[in-house]
Amino acid sequence: DTAVSQTPKYLVTQMGNDKSIKCEQNLGHDTMYWYKQDSKKFLKIMFSYNNKELIINETVPNRFSPKSPDKAHLNLHINSLELGDSAVYFCASSQLAGDTEAFFGQGTRLTVV
Amino acid sequence: DAKTTQPPSMDCAEGRAANLPCNHSTISGNEYVYWYRQIHSQGPQYIIHGLKNNETNEMASLIITEDRKSSTLILPHATLRDTAVYYCIVSWANTNAGKSTFGDGTTLTVKP
Repeated sequence: DTAVSQTPKYLVTQMGNDKSIKCEQNLGHDTMYWYKQDSKKFLKIMFSYNNKELIINETVPNRFSPKSPDKAHLNLHINSLELGDSAVYFCASSQLAGDTEAFFGQGTRLTVV
Repeated sequence: DAKTTQPPSMDCAEGRAANLPCNHSTISGNEYVYWYRQIHSQGPQYIIHGLKNNETNEMASLIITEDRKSSTLILPHATLRDTAVYYCIVSWANTNAGKSTFGDGTTLTVKP
């Protein structure tokens, strides 16, 4: 069983569209994250949720809205997509407290044309 | 979180030890050193972490200097499958590396 799974793996869409990326973890972790990796391979945290509550919201356009229906799921919805949103988006999960590691999904490659 | 500095790239011969350095001179007392790697087209993978003492697991060893301002990740017998980008991250103990932004990392190329 995949620990952290994201869908879709690839997403090609036109500018101005609204799209969602789904993430699920079966590790029983309390905390989930979304990262963005741009063309320069820089991996930057966007959001973090703990038990369905937002605990980190980095400087991200408000066109990006995370949704956590339960602690095993953290979906990312993007409105009015722009060319600059093209990137690979990674979901991850971990336990919040203590010195534990994060587990990452395989990524969703979003291409905005 | 403290900043880290890593060389952009390194080569290593297959079967030899790969030693990847990381400087984190602004690290504070409660911050851990984490290492992740990212193999091409995959998600980052946890390798090892430590606070003060050297650590070893089935994947690697982590050597942290006494002043904690730098560390070295050691892959004892590198294989071609170890070719990846290796990230050194410093993070508070109660937040763990999942909250951190990764730096530029070191691209390790293991050659036959």
